[in-house]
Amino acid sequence: AQTVTQSQPEMSVQEAETVTLSCTYDTSESDYYLFWYKQPPSRQMILVIRQEAYKQQNATENRFSVNFQKAAKSFSLKISDSQLGDAAMYFCAYRTPLDYKLSFGAGTTVTVRA
Amino acid sequence: GAVVSQHPSRVICKSGTSVKIECRSLDFQATTMFWYRQFPKQSLMLMATSNEGSKATYEQGVEKDKFLINHASLTLSTLTVTSAHPEDSSFYICSASSLAKNIQYFGAGTRLSVL
Repeated sequence: AQTVTQSQPEMSVQEAETVTLSCTYDTSESDYYLFWYKQPPSRQMILVIRQEAYKQQNATENRFSVNFQKAAKSFSLKISDSQLGDAAMYFCAYRTPLDYKLSFGAGTTVTVRA
Repeated sequence: GAVVSQHPSRVICKSGTSVKIECRSLDFQATTMFWYRQFPKQSLMLMATSNEGSKATYEQGVEKDKFLINHASLTLSTLTVTSAHPEDSSFYICSASSLAKNIQYFGAGTRLSVL
């Protein structure tokens, strides 16, 4: 089974500042997908960003961007210009192309200070 | 708007009763749906994979007779917690895979409280 590790249980960021969440994973596959999901207090899981392993270019979605280092098996999420609405638990997830099951990390709780 | 609808959002029941949770994909057909359980401030734990027209695949340690899954159509999967006990109290989340978009969408979750 694939292992996804998020080593930061909690992170705090000042509004308008930048915060980076770390994620590492363990796999022997060469092709796979990586995701960051956000779970706000409502507990609705929301897809933040997705990265295909075969793409070298880092994915970007507005204020959210990733640093995908395939050789290091690292997939960090950067939140720029943090807003109060970014406060949530963030989960890193992995899956292979053939198996739609997601392997989740333990999550990182992000607090945004006004 | 939501592409996966989960109902009910909250249910309180007496110990020994059964509870059914529905998960519907609204905008696409989902041959595969997933059921998760989440404890407070913890990650999602996959319980089972629901396959349309066939038996569900349960993760190790999940009692299939306790958590009955039915995926009778391409847009509906149900999870029935049978003979619920207080230890079954938890947050249950479903998801559905969109093959076209290669994305898994999540329902809003169901908070089950067993008295």
